[in-house]
Amino acid sequence: GAVVSQHPSWVICKSGTSVKIECRSLDFQATTMFWYRQFPKQSLMLMATSNEGSKATYEQGVEKDKFLINHASLTLSTLTVTSAHPEDSSFYICSARDPGQGDTQYFGPGTRLTVL
Amino acid sequence: AQKITQTQPGMFVQEKEAVTLDCTYDTSDQSYGLFWYKQPSSGEMIFLIYQGSYDEQNATEGRYSLNFQKARKSANLVISASQLGDSAMYFCAMREGPRSGGFKTIFGAGTRLFVKA
Repeated sequence: GAVVSQHPSWVICKSGTSVKIECRSLDFQATTMFWYRQFPKQSLMLMATSNEGSKATYEQGVEKDKFLINHASLTLSTLTVTSAHPEDSSFYICSARDPGQGDTQYFGPGTRLTVL
Repeated sequence: AQKITQTQPGMFVQEKEAVTLDCTYDTSDQSYGLFWYKQPSSGEMIFLIYQGSYDEQNATEGRYSLNFQKARKSANLVISASQLGDSAMYFCAMREGPRSGGFKTIFGAGTRLFVKA
């Protein structure tokens, strides 16, 4: 099946710094990618929908200036957590929609962010 | 309003027995898709099974089957012959059509399944 990768798989950073997380579709072109965050023992919460070549669509309550999303190519979307704070510590998961497979959505392995 | 409801925070099942994980959903779309994912402690989301709203037959994938009752808006997952490796978190998810959901997939709260030896 299709593969979606995320990099890094885990990151620890100091409060106030910015962290960039990459999401790549390895063997298909993804016009749409989604970013989720998951707190411990909770469900996945959709943060934003990332469309190649256009601005991301953010869900209600998600700060677009804090969580910058760039979808510059059909295989890469990035999420940058700006001026990270401890409350941003979470598990971030991306998914990519493969239009060639009936819009099947493939998930990346996730990135665990810890902000000290 | 919550669109995906999983009422069982935790479930226990004896190894080799079957277990049903409940899921109800709410949508005004005629076209939508329902999914079940497994999330082990590693965190990866493993796709299990898919049911389209227009599919008349219940979906089956190996030991997984989806009991789709459209009128009741329920999409329960049945795992037959449970194995110890089935212990994990299970999420029900729905993808609505472009009109109301924009192809977004939203998730229920999850059910943690414990398989006992």
